[in-house]
Amino acid sequence: SQTIHQWPATLVQPVGSPLSLECTVEGTSNPNLYWYRQAAGRGLQLLFYSVGIGQISSEVPQNLSASRPQDRQFILSSKKLLLSDSGFYLCAWRPTYRVGVNTEAFFGQGTRLTVV
Amino acid sequence: RKEVEQDPGPFNVPEGATVAFNCTYSNSASQSFFWYRQDCRKEPKLLMSVYSSGNEDGRFTAQLNRASQYISLLIRDSKLSDSATYLCVVNIPPFYNQGGKLIFGQGTELSVKP
Repeated sequence: SQTIHQWPATLVQPVGSPLSLECTVEGTSNPNLYWYRQAAGRGLQLLFYSVGIGQISSEVPQNLSASRPQDRQFILSSKKLLLSDSGFYLCAWRPTYRVGVNTEAFFGQGTRLTVV
Repeated sequence: RKEVEQDPGPFNVPEGATVAFNCTYSNSASQSFFWYRQDCRKEPKLLMSVYSSGNEDGRFTAQLNRASQYISLLIRDSKLSDSATYLCVVNIPPFYNQGGKLIFGQGTELSVKP
């Protein structure tokens, strides 16, 4: 069966510090991978998605970046955190796209980031 | 205009009530639709997919109106355990054979009271 791991669960970082959040998927190959952010009391905002190694699509211009160095590894990074980067960060995966097949996304347990 | 918009909440209902959530989407090429449930401080989990002909799963009924670009979720006989945030999700189709992206509405909070 497929599983998704995301860590750390909680993180408190000072303004201006770097960030690295990691997400890995097991039990599948060539998944579509996603990073979302959820601010307190708000919906999920799509930040990045990837359809393959080294292929990253950015949805929202900001001081975050994403990388996919391996097929089942997705990393969210920042060189300098802002207060507004606080939120609940969620990684998700879906099976690789096939015409006519609707598939749900499966989420990791999330990282709750507080920038102080 | 937001790509996916939901009724603002919260909805406060008594046990046993019927409650309906509405959602509209702006991209007419959207291909697949879902309702997710999110409990407080947890990750979202799939509640049900939404099919063109409408579909039912126990107390939950989902409807899709492609002409109006509208999705709905009906919950009958509400239980205390239904209290959560319900998220409407739309799949924006792939471009040049790339994977589709899932866009979430802002969510509607439901609170079921005894």
